This record gives sequence, C-alpha cells and structure tokens, in this order.
Amino acid sequence: EIVLTQSPATLSLSPGERATLSCRASQSVSSYLAWYQQKPGQAPRLLIYDASNRATGIPARFSGSGSGTDFTLTISSLEPEDFAVYYCQQRSNWPPSFGQGTRLEIK
Amino acid sequence: QVQLVQSGAEVKKPGASVKVSCKASGYTFTSYDINWVRQATGQGLEWMGWMNPNSGNTGYAQKFQGRVTMTRNTSISTAYMELSSLRSEDTAVYYCARPLHPGDYYFDYWGQGTLVTVSS
Repeated sequence: EIVLTQSPATLSLSPGERATLSCRASQSVSSYLAWYQQKPGQAPRLLIYDASNRATGIPARFSGSGSGTDFTLTISSLEPEDFAVYYCQQRSNWPPSFGQGTRLEIK
Repeated sequence: QVQLVQSGAEVKKPGASVKVSCKASGYTFTSYDINWVRQATGQGLEWMGWMNPNSGNTGYAQKFQGRVTMTRNTSISTAYMELSSLRSEDTAVYYCARPLHPGDYYFDYWGQGTLVTVSS
C-alpha cells in the first residue's frame, strides 16, 4: 500500500497570504493524485484531481502541481473560507489511500 | 442534482454489526461505483472498499476483509455497507462517495456521513 505523507501537519497563515501544502508518496503515483478540503462537520470536497486539474466549481486560487512522488497544493491568496484541513489521495495503486492531512489555520 | 443521503447515527455494542445505507439520486445509480470511506474522530480518511451497483461486484481493503459487506438494492437506488464484529476502534463517521468518473477513485460526491459509535 502506498503511504502518503503530508507536510506540514499544521500551517498558520493570514488571509491574503499564499499557502503551500506538500504531499509525498512512498513510491511513484505518476499524476494520479487528488486534493480534498474538509471543514468541521462536513464531508470532504474534491479540489484537484490528476495532480493539477481543478474540479468543477473550484476557484482558480487553488492549484496543484507535481508528479511521481512529490506534489504541492497552492492557494494563491487565502480567503477566510479556505481555513480547513486538506488531504491528498492517490489512486495509482490499489487500494486508494489518503494522507494524514494538513490543518490550515488562521494566524 | 446528484445527492447521496445516508442513514442516521447508530450506537452498537462491541461484537455487534451495523448496516449503513446510502440512497443515491440525481443520476443513474448503476453507472457509478459506490465507495465507502471512514473517519475516526479527529483522524484522517480511510478507504474501505467499493461496490459496483450494476454487477454487485465488490473490492475491499485488506484491513476490512471478512468483516465488511457492501451490497445494493437497485430498485431503490440504495447502497449498503455492513460491518460486523464491531470494536471500539470502529467508532467513526462512515461516508459513501461517488467517483468523478465511472470506475475512478477520485470522489466528487459524498454522503453527509453516518456516525457509528461502538460502546459497551
């Protein structure tokens, strides 16, 4: 099973700042990686799939990059509603697996 | 619009079984797999398995093999996840999720979650 390691565990930033979240895979997942946002009491929301494709309705301030084992989710200018937990997920190898999450909190 | 509506919260004793339902609407139920993902309180997401509503075929994560059963009733567009031999570590919110594309493992539609509490 592929292990996804996200860093940092917690990221403290202010609205308007740029956020950079990382996800590293224990072996190559090609570009088969997604990012999700989860707010308290809510189900996860798909943001990015295949490393860099925004899902329907996702604002352009969210972007994804990377391939192989190293991936990045960037939020160009944080809005108040962006403070949440973010998970990466791979579908390259069965079973699909998730990272442990990065908590993005208001500084 | 696509919706997945899950059954309500459950409280079970250790050793018991729980069956969670997921009613789909807004799309052709048999065209997309239903996957199940769980999340213990304050923890991350854990994929449990998938079920093809058309064929009934299933695939389970090794961790849950022998304890989980995923089924469906196509006449009412509802998927079910049954977990047996419950233990305290199974206390979690259980989500059903539909993939972005048929046969895919990116999930763009999720149920609201069902809290299952295992306690003596």
